[in-house]
Formats: sequence, structure tokens, C-alpha cells
Amino acid sequence: ETGVTQSPTHLIKTRGQQVTLRCSSQSGHNTVSWYQQALGQGPQFIFQYYREEENGRGNFPPRFSGLQFPNYSSELNVNALELDDSALYLCASSLRAGLPYEQYFGPGTRLTVT
Amino acid sequence: ELKVEQNPLFLSMQEGKNYTIYCNYSTTSDRLYWYRQDPGKSLESLFVLLSNGAVKQEGRLMASLDTKARLSTLHITAAVHDLSATYFCAVDETSGSRLTFGEGTQLTVNP
Repeated sequence: ETGVTQSPTHLIKTRGQQVTLRCSSQSGHNTVSWYQQALGQGPQFIFQYYREEENGRGNFPPRFSGLQFPNYSSELNVNALELDDSALYLCASSLRAGLPYEQYFGPGTRLTVT
Repeated sequence: ELKVEQNPLFLSMQEGKNYTIYCNYSTTSDRLYWYRQDPGKSLESLFVLLSNGAVKQEGRLMASLDTKARLSTLHITAAVHDLSATYFCAVDETSGSRLTFGEGTQLTVNP
């Protein structure tokens, strides 16, 4: 069984640029959630994708957008990067049907905006 | 809006001692999760608590859930240095839609 993978591991971007982060869900999982974790804080929910549709969104501006593909992998896109976007971005996959909806986290992408 | 509060936020303890981390949340939910995070790493799932009165134990860690009090505890027994990490509780109020995390408890176990 393959776990959740994310790429790239680290990324440095300049303010105003755009970035795309990628996530491959665990085998058999059809739901991907994205979280932003600023240094010293708990993760914050960005949005979730279920069967290629957005299924819930946290308090993030529209410049944060996403996609889910037919193989259930997912992308997180951030436009017009700001310094405050510097964070660890975590994706988590889960099998939506039935309990316990446990989310399995990937290793994360560390984004630094300068 | 769901609020999840952990205390303490910082905990320094000696090896061999016992301590409890508390997680309070502001809405009804019977799905609570505990995660461990080592510096610079991702989240490792520790416990999944899915009903009132649920208790789970793994090694020196034991977690419990009281949905009526909206409280979960993570009890550490006879702490060892390897338990040093940040511990997060997270509440799922929407049956799998999103997790709301506490601020985390940074645990340091000293020899």
C-alpha cells in the first residue's frame, strides 16, 4: 500500500509569483484535504476535494485554488504569493465512505516566500 | 465557528513523570484525533476517538474522550525522552469534511 506523497519537498518563491503543489493520495482513497501550517501553529484547513469536486473550504482567499484528478491526486495552486504564505503545506487523504474518515497526512511541502 | 483549545501549550517534564494534556472544543462532535509532530516533519496519527467514553492506549500514551464535557485528554505515563514532540488534537465536526486543530502542545522530556 502506497502512502500519501507530496512534491516538491521544499520551494522558494518570490512575492507575487504563482506556485503549484502536488499530492498523490493513498491507494484506495478518494478524498484529499489541504492544510496550511504556519511556523509554531496548528494546521489550518484550506479545502477538500472529493471525486474531483471541491467539498468544503476554509477561510482562505480565492487565490488559493485546487484541482483533483480522476486518479484522485490533487494540486494546490496559489497565485500572487504573499510573505504570509510561507508555511508547511500538508495534504491528507481519506476514504470518505464510512467511518472513521481518518485522514492520513503526507510529508508536506515547505514553501518560503521572499 | 469551532474552537479547539489545548493546554498547556508548552510542557517540560522529567523522565519517569506522569502528565496530562487537555483538549477542549466548542461544539458537539464525537470524532476527535490526536497527532504527533516532530520538528520539520508531518503529522503522525496517534489515536482516533469516535464515541463518548472512548479510551485508547498505545505504550505510554492514553487518550480519552468525553463528548458531554467537550474534552479529550492525552495522558503520558512515565515519560521518556523519545516522547519529546508537539502533540495536536483535532476535531472533525462535519463527518469527514474538515479537521480543526488545536494550537499544539510542545512537550520536552528531560533526562
